Amino acid sequence: DTGVSQDPRHKITKRGQNVTFRCDPISEHNRLYWYRQTLGQGPEFLTYFQNEAQLEKSRLLSDRFSAERPKGSFSTLEIQRTEQGDSAMYLCASSSGLAGSYNEQFFGPGTRLTVL
Amino acid sequence: AQSVAQPEDQVNVAEGNPLTVKCTYSVSGNPYLFWYVQYPNRGLQFLLKYITGDNLVKGSYGFEAEFNKSQTSFHLKKPSALVSDSALYFCAVRFSNTPLVFGKGTRLSVIA
Repeated sequence: DTGVSQDPRHKITKRGQNVTFRCDPISEHNRLYWYRQTLGQGPEFLTYFQNEAQLEKSRLLSDRFSAERPKGSFSTLEIQRTEQGDSAMYLCASSSGLAGSYNEQFFGPGTRLTVL
Repeated sequence: AQSVAQPEDQVNVAEGNPLTVKCTYSVSGNPYLFWYVQYPNRGLQFLLKYITGDNLVKGSYGFEAEFNKSQTSFHLKKPSALVSDSALYFCAVRFSNTPLVFGKGTRLSVIA
């Protein structure tokens, strides 16, 4: 399978703990995106990378959230001191193209986070 | 700020009948418009997009969408619905350098 993969698929944690998610994009894609999706809502943009550079972050991304893409390939999203409101599906997507490109994004299956 | 509205939470249609899932957007300028479908336990799958040119766009699985600039709409259509089309459908919009903004989604139920 050469699509976008995410790990883990499910994560249950206790409030206050740190969690880290991984995304492996389609190999030739230079852009990588993170979204959050809660029940009954569409995905909400969190941040994106072009190669290893993090070019934009949403206001939704509090200082407890950090994302990296150190070698321009896989990416990690870390949430520190998790809160119950962080419970959601975290989606990763990738696409090819330069800034301003209208190429479609390809999504991974998501990581479902439950904070108890 | 750009936004997308999907006015129907749920659309029910009988198998074999035509289906329409509505989407309107609120932006200034020329939007890029997308439709995605989400099946249970699977990621969002791209269906089709409008960038420029012909207002009628054809996509995967027999779906098409019509861009109407005067009504700022991008409704998804299919001439003959299948039970397997039952899923959650998302409309999304972006400009050249802005993030993709999704609607809340419309659940399509095709009844045999």
